[in-house]
Amino acid sequence: AQSVTQLDSQVPVFEEAPVELRCNYSSSVSVYLFWYVQYPNQGLQLLLKYLSGSTLVESINGFEAEFNKSQTSFHLRKPSVHISDTAEYFCAVSHTGNQFYFGTGTSLTVIP
Amino acid sequence: DTGVSQDPRHKITKRGQNVTFRCDPISEHNRLYWYRQTLGQGPEFLTYFQNEAQLEKSRLLSDRFSAERPKGSFSTLEIQRTEQGDSAMYLCASSPSGANQETQYFGPGTRLLVL
Repeated sequence: AQSVTQLDSQVPVFEEAPVELRCNYSSSVSVYLFWYVQYPNQGLQLLLKYLSGSTLVESINGFEAEFNKSQTSFHLRKPSVHISDTAEYFCAVSHTGNQFYFGTGTSLTVIP
Repeated sequence: DTGVSQDPRHKITKRGQNVTFRCDPISEHNRLYWYRQTLGQGPEFLTYFQNEAQLEKSRLLSDRFSAERPKGSFSTLEIQRTEQGDSAMYLCASSPSGANQETQYFGPGTRLLVL
């Protein structure tokens, strides 16, 4: 069985400060890993994904995540956040690419 | 707008009634997914279609729930004899085949309230 744990339900951070949103997964087999973002009053959007290859993946808006197999983690980081990054962030895992398991989400609030 | 669309956006119904939701995926996407999301939770996988074939179903999908995708384009999700516990946001997503099949595009969701 696969599951995803997002330990932090809410993360407040000041503008231009760094942030890390934690994600751990449990799976006995190789997985695909994803981060989705949901801005206020909008649908879920893919932020970045890890399928294979380089363990560090980046998004176009400055976020990055690193797949750590030994720690079964896929934490999301950004060195300097903006007000516009305020959103709900969901980590997800899939083994087959058909069924996806989402975490409970982390609400990131950027404080001016 | 060529994104995933869902109809209706909101539905209020009385316990015991049947409801049906529709999802129109991005036109060239042959994969379609249904999820349920309750407050404070992430999306929970319900079912997955490839073209018109329903290939995976979650154990969450009780026998009161049925999903169809008869022509491999739009899909419907029906809930029979609704219960208050069915109140949730129902999300639809689609993805292409091939290299980006893992990239899901989500619709805005249908929010269901069962009184």
